[in-house]
Amino acid sequence: EAGVAQSPRYKIIEKRQSVAFWCNPISGHATLYWYQQILGQGPKLLIQFQNNGVVDDSQLPKDRFSAERLKGVDSTLKIQPAKLEDSAVYLCASSLGLATGELFFGEGSRLTVL
Amino acid sequence: SQQGEEDPQALSIQEGENATMNCSYKTSINNLQWYRQNSGRGLVHLILIRSNEREKHSGRLRVTLDTSKKSSSLLITASRAADTASYFCASGFTGTASKLTFGTGTRLQVTL
Repeated sequence: EAGVAQSPRYKIIEKRQSVAFWCNPISGHATLYWYQQILGQGPKLLIQFQNNGVVDDSQLPKDRFSAERLKGVDSTLKIQPAKLEDSAVYLCASSLGLATGELFFGEGSRLTVL
Repeated sequence: SQQGEEDPQALSIQEGENATMNCSYKTSINNLQWYRQNSGRGLVHLILIRSNEREKHSGRLRVTLDTSKKSSSLLITASRAADTASYFCASGFTGTASKLTFGTGTRLQVTL
């Protein structure tokens, strides 16, 4: 069974530029999550989708971050414009449903903002 | 803000010793999970314990949960160099805002 796929693995940009990350969850998983993990910290939930609807985006900085999950499968997370403090690993995860069972994570996309 | 705090932040032991990590959380939960993260990789699920359970085992892992103290512990017995990683607890609650919230993590170093 294929795992959660993410790309790109690494991205370096200058502040005020834009960047997009892509995630393809495990087939059949209805719930998709984007987490931000700053170096030395635990993952922080940015947004949670159930199929193609947003369940929770309370911690998403909506002035610069946006995410979509068209057709309820893969998802993109965009940052525009990027700030220095956005340097982090962006982790995508998926699960079968909303019942907070096991999450399956991708390898992450490491963003460096210069 | 993160839900849980983990203690210690870092732990260094020798191969064969046991490693114990503790986690505290703030609100009522349905379950508590532990994940492992190797350097530069994604998180991998280790074990889930439900709020009505007190102890659970999986191979060399033993997890306890004390809901009255809002705390959990992860014990890794007979540690190996391959256990070197960061370990995170994650508290889950199901409701109108179901979510899994991660703690700050414990960095475990197992030396030969």
